[in-house]
Amino acid sequence: AQSVTQPDIHITVSEGASLELRCNYSYGATPYLFWYVQSPGQGLQLLLKYFSGDTLVQGIKGFEAEFKRSQSSFNLRKPSVHWSDAAEYFCAVGAQNQGGKLIFGQGTELSVKP
Amino acid sequence: GAVVSQHPSWVICKSGTSVKIECRSLDFQATTMFWYRQFPKQSLMLMATSNEGSKATYEQGVEKDKFLINHASLTLSTLTVTSAHPEDSSFYICSARGSQGSFYEQYFGPGTRLTVT
Repeated sequence: AQSVTQPDIHITVSEGASLELRCNYSYGATPYLFWYVQSPGQGLQLLLKYFSGDTLVQGIKGFEAEFKRSQSSFNLRKPSVHWSDAAEYFCAVGAQNQGGKLIFGQGTELSVKP
Repeated sequence: GAVVSQHPSWVICKSGTSVKIECRSLDFQATTMFWYRQFPKQSLMLMATSNEGSKATYEQGVEKDKFLINHASLTLSTLTVTSAHPEDSSFYICSARGSQGSFYEQYFGPGTRLTVT
């Protein structure tokens, strides 16, 4: 069965430091991959997506992610974190042959130290 | 573009009553809508998928008689929690997919916080 794993439940980084959030997926074919961000009490906002083509994807708010097929990974990065980036981050993959469902990872909570 | 709204944003109801949550696509036609439930500090759990004009498809373990989903138009889906109990308290999020764009691309609403007392 398809799955998405976000190994880090909680990460704390200092403001201005770089960030990498990990995401691993299990999927046979080329996956449709997404990163979403959720602020407390809010819905999900799409940061970026990968469907095909260039494996380095640029998103909003200065985020990028790199698709690495050999590692089944789609890690999210940001070179310099801002205090406003503190939120919950979810990686998701489109479930094959299931009507367009998304399979979400467990989420990574990002805290930013001043 | 691709804005999804939910109403209400939060609701408190008494045990045994029913509550309806609306999900609207404001600037596109949503051929499919998804309803999720999220517990604190947890991921989203898909409850059901609804296609306009069709009966909703519920995920395993979700009581279809308790969580009634109606997708009567291309811009509106509703989730009714019937005979609510405190264990139904949760954050409910809807998402919508249009006929344009990727088959997997969903646009999420802001969520509805339900508290059953």
